[in-house]
Amino acid sequence: DVKVTQSSRYLVKRTGEKVFLECVQDMDHENMFWYRQDPGLGLRLIYFSYDVKMKEKGDIPEGYSVSREKKERFSLILESASTNQTSMYLCASSLPGTGENEQFFGPGTRLTVL
Amino acid sequence: LAKTTQPISMDSYEGQEVNITCSHNNIATNDYITWYQQFPSQGPRFIIQGYKTKVTNEVASLFIPADRKSSTLSLPRVSLSDTAVYYCLVGPKAAGNKLTFGGGTRVLVKP
Repeated sequence: DVKVTQSSRYLVKRTGEKVFLECVQDMDHENMFWYRQDPGLGLRLIYFSYDVKMKEKGDIPEGYSVSREKKERFSLILESASTNQTSMYLCASSLPGTGENEQFFGPGTRLTVL
Repeated sequence: LAKTTQPISMDSYEGQEVNITCSHNNIATNDYITWYQQFPSQGPRFIIQGYKTKVTNEVASLFIPADRKSSTLSLPRVSLSDTAVYYCLVGPKAAGNKLTFGGGTRVLVKP
């Protein structure tokens, strides 16, 4: 089974801190994604990556950056955390090509910014 | 990406069949319909995908009429563990594509 793991389930940070959220997948997937999930807004795509060192902006990239130095690891970075970035962050991975629209999600990191 | 509309919530009882309808009036020719399930405190999980008519797997069935402007996810004989949020997504069939999740349908299965 595909396993997508995220470094923390719960995280509390202060406004202005630099925050790193790590995601690792063990199935050699090329594609990786970062979403945030907020009540009433569903999941919104922040950034995604189709290959090592490649990244593309999603729908809400402002205030975030990403890093993909190795195929299995995709990091989300909050350069200067703000309270409106309090949310559930979900990482996902998938195979390339024209297969089913199946993305494999991690358990999520609930981030609180005080 | 085609916009989807689905009910906010549905209640059911154990052993019943649950049908969730999703409207996608502006679906494009190359769009597929995909459903995900999300349990509390977990990431979403792929359930089923289809293009037209009917698709069935071990978890659910997906019914798509000829005009493809709507689709219905059918969960047979639900149990308490099927309580979750179900999302309908519409877009091209490509695993690398971005997924756009709407608000989903919160299904509560009661004893």
